[in-house]
Amino acid sequence: DAGITQSPRHKVTETGTPVTLRCHQTENHRYMYWYRQDPGHGLRLIHYSYGVKDTDKGEVSDGYSVSRSKTEDFLLTLESATSSQTSVYFCAISRTGGVETQYFGPGTRLLVL
Amino acid sequence: RKEVEQDPGPFNVPEGATVAFNCTYSNSASQSFFWYRQDCRKEPKLLMSVYSSGNEDGRFTAQLNRASQYISLLIRDSKLSDSATYLCVVSSRGNYGQNFVFGPGTRLSVLP
Repeated sequence: DAGITQSPRHKVTETGTPVTLRCHQTENHRYMYWYRQDPGHGLRLIHYSYGVKDTDKGEVSDGYSVSRSKTEDFLLTLESATSSQTSVYFCAISRTGGVETQYFGPGTRLLVL
Repeated sequence: RKEVEQDPGPFNVPEGATVAFNCTYSNSASQSFFWYRQDCRKEPKLLMSVYSSGNEDGRFTAQLNRASQYISLLIRDSKLSDSATYLCVVSSRGNYGQNFVFGPGTRLSVLP
């Protein structure tokens, strides 16, 4: 258990609505990640953070922004949700010390109508 | 070509069978290798890291061939509880920390 929680766990929203997903970790890890998982595409990186206020884009960052004002929280915002952003969103941390390895939160299921 | 490719699956096997999953990767600078399992509607969970010399954890054996850029996972004496999707993961040095690239996964169903 890597001490990662995500909220909300499920959300239904309408097109054009802003949405913020929260990832919270309790183990003070430096690196945090947001992925989306869709059938036929597997896990794809949206954004990641390498420290407080330090973030970078991933493979599918268009339409998403992130913020990290505290080590323990990494927020993902959909400024204006679209149906193509219907997905399962996973937050992850990477645990260093030996081989750097990723651990995931339980996921957020987002449906954009 | 995708950076990490896996057997398309699904694999349907009887309990007790031995099943092997294959994975290839395209980035020759890849440094670390993993197998994750993902149960339906759950998050991916680390199954095992894969080392150059090969490694075993109970009924699970992972092998790495860097020259061929190939990774495998062997499950012996399959159990019903092994039913899941198995993800091959490769990491390499990025600008900030490691980049992790996930394969699409291979679904396994172990049948009674």
